[in-house]
Amino acid sequence: ETGVTQSPTHLIKTRGQQVTLRCSSQSGHNTVSWYQQALGQGPQFIFQYYREEENGRGNFPPRFSGLQFPNYSSELNVNALELDDSALYLCASSLDSRRTNTGELFFGEGSRLTVL
Amino acid sequence: AQSVTQLGSHVSVSEGALVLLRCNYSSSVPPYLFWYVQYPNQGLQLLLKYTSAATLVKGINGFEAEFKKSETSFHLTKPSAHMSDAAEYFCAVTLYNQGGKLIFGQGTELSVKP
Repeated sequence: ETGVTQSPTHLIKTRGQQVTLRCSSQSGHNTVSWYQQALGQGPQFIFQYYREEENGRGNFPPRFSGLQFPNYSSELNVNALELDDSALYLCASSLDSRRTNTGELFFGEGSRLTVL
Repeated sequence: AQSVTQLGSHVSVSEGALVLLRCNYSSSVPPYLFWYVQYPNQGLQLLLKYTSAATLVKGINGFEAEFKKSETSFHLTKPSAHMSDAAEYFCAVTLYNQGGKLIFGQGTELSVKP
């Protein structure tokens, strides 16, 4: 069974640039959620994708966007980077339906983004 | 809206001592509650969950938590701490129809002294 993998593990960008983070979900999982974890804080929900459609969004601006592909892998895109976007971005996969949620998320090790 | 509050950003115990990490929640309807653990430079791992069945929930690595509705609490305990328990612990809440949105607390860093 393959776990959740994320890439890249670390990256450095400058203000105003754009970034794409990638996530491969655990085998058999149809749902991917993205979280932002600032230093010393708990993870904050960005959005979730279920079968290629957004299925819930947290309090993040539209410059945070995502995609889910037919193989259930996912991308997180952030445009016009700001200094406060510096954080660990966590991807989590699960086996859920559109309206139900087990809360049993399987997390990757994250992509650490530094914005200078 | 749901929320969780973890009391104490840092807890230090001696090896073999009781571990008690506190979590209080706020929810207008019966919630699902979770404890996740994060080891350094790793993602989060589910320790245990409460989903309206038994109020005393047993998890991995000897941890357990008790759901107390009257106190709106879901504290995490372990009878005897081990050095390998040193990590960041997060309490989280969600609802059955929330579409996967977990609301996490700020986290409690557990240190274990030899």
